[in-house]
Amino acid sequence: KAGVTQTPRYLIKTRGQQVTLSCSPISGHRSVSWYQQTPGQGLQFLFEYFSETQRNKGNFPGRFSGRQFSNSRSEMNVSTLELGDSALYLCASSKDTGLGSTEAFFGQGTRLTVV
Amino acid sequence: AQTVTQSQPEMSVQEAETVTLSCTYDTSESDYYLFWYKQPPSRQMILVIRQEAYKQQNATENRFSVNFQKAAKSFSLKISDSQLGDAAMYFCAYRSYSGNTPLVFGKGTRLSVIA
Repeated sequence: KAGVTQTPRYLIKTRGQQVTLSCSPISGHRSVSWYQQTPGQGLQFLFEYFSETQRNKGNFPGRFSGRQFSNSRSEMNVSTLELGDSALYLCASSKDTGLGSTEAFFGQGTRLTVV
Repeated sequence: AQTVTQSQPEMSVQEAETVTLSCTYDTSESDYYLFWYKQPPSRQMILVIRQEAYKQQNATENRFSVNFQKAAKSFSLKISDSQLGDAAMYFCAYRSYSGNTPLVFGKGTRLSVIA
């Protein structure tokens, strides 16, 4: 069974540009969450999508957005990039039991560097 | 809001020895899940072990076991017969049992294994 796949693995962007990251969850998983990981702030929750709807949202500015497609694949977009957006972005998928999700399975992450 | 605290930023252990990583959490809920994740230098977060709060029996996965003290809101991870491959960042995480809420992570403990 294939795991969570994130593309691309590495990105270098310039301040002011925008970027789109992609995540394909484990087959059968309908919940996809995104996290930002930095040395200073640790793991911070961005948002979660379930059945194409945003179910939860973290405390990030509106420059961070996401969406989920009918096949559960998800994308996140960051517009007007800032130096502080440099981070490892992790995607996780969960098998929702109907009462909510349990454990999350993570992809290898996308390392974004903003210069 | 729930919080997770890992009070040991760094730990080290001799190969083949046993080490215990600490985690405490704060919640007003009675039903929830607790997890330990491992993040090696490859960056991928790997689920190590899971504990449901309603289960009194401590979870065990091969060399990994937990000491779950619900009243004390403590959830420590014991690694027995430590191996070089156990060197990684370890994150404790919390998730509500009901409702659709994201994982809440601690700041992590960096474990070094000394040959």
